[in-house]
Amino acid sequence: AQSVTQLGSHVSVSEGALVLLRCNYSSSVPPYLFWYVQYPNQGLQLLLKYTSAATLVKGINGFEAEFKKSETSFHLTKPSAHMSDAAEYFCAVSVALYSSASKIIFGSGTRLSIRP
Amino acid sequence: SQTIHQWPATLVQPVGSPLSLECTVEGTSNPNLYWYRQAAGRGLQLLFYSVGIGQISSEVPQNLSASRPQDRQFILSSKKLLLSDSGFYLCAWSVLGNQPQHFGDGTRLSIL
Repeated sequence: AQSVTQLGSHVSVSEGALVLLRCNYSSSVPPYLFWYVQYPNQGLQLLLKYTSAATLVKGINGFEAEFKKSETSFHLTKPSAHMSDAAEYFCAVSVALYSSASKIIFGSGTRLSIRP
Repeated sequence: SQTIHQWPATLVQPVGSPLSLECTVEGTSNPNLYWYRQAAGRGLQLLFYSVGIGQISSEVPQNLSASRPQDRQFILSSKKLLLSDSGFYLCAWSVLGNQPQHFGDGTRLSIL
């Protein structure tokens, strides 16, 4: 069965520091992987997606993620944190339901805090 | 461009009362539609999905039901709410296959 595991429920970094949010996946087939961000009391916004093209995926707001099959990882990074990056981040994998539908299985989330 | 609307944004209901949450999508035809629940301190759980009008699949047994009376309308209902139904409910849409899902702003439901 496909799943994702996010390491660390809470990550705190200083403004301007590197952001690294960890995600490992489990999948018996080539996975479709996503990172979503959720600001307080809002829905989820897609940051980036991996769909078996380039292994380094660039997203919005300066985030990127690298798909590493050998490590079954899809970690999210940003070179320099900004105060506005404080939010909950979810790693997710898409699982086919049947011919036209799929469901997203989410990790448990990582809350990112930014210190001034 | 496609947009998704959910309402109401917040709702406070007494135990045993009925529920109706509505979600509509604009700018696309025949989308796949989904209802998720996010309980406090927990991740998101898929409740229902639909690949067409009148076609509803349930992922988990529960006190809730879903309906899709029109192509771009998805409704989450309950006849009698339980305390355990509290949470943040999110509607989402996607196109075919393993494309990302796009989420509405959610409804925060509190049961008293």
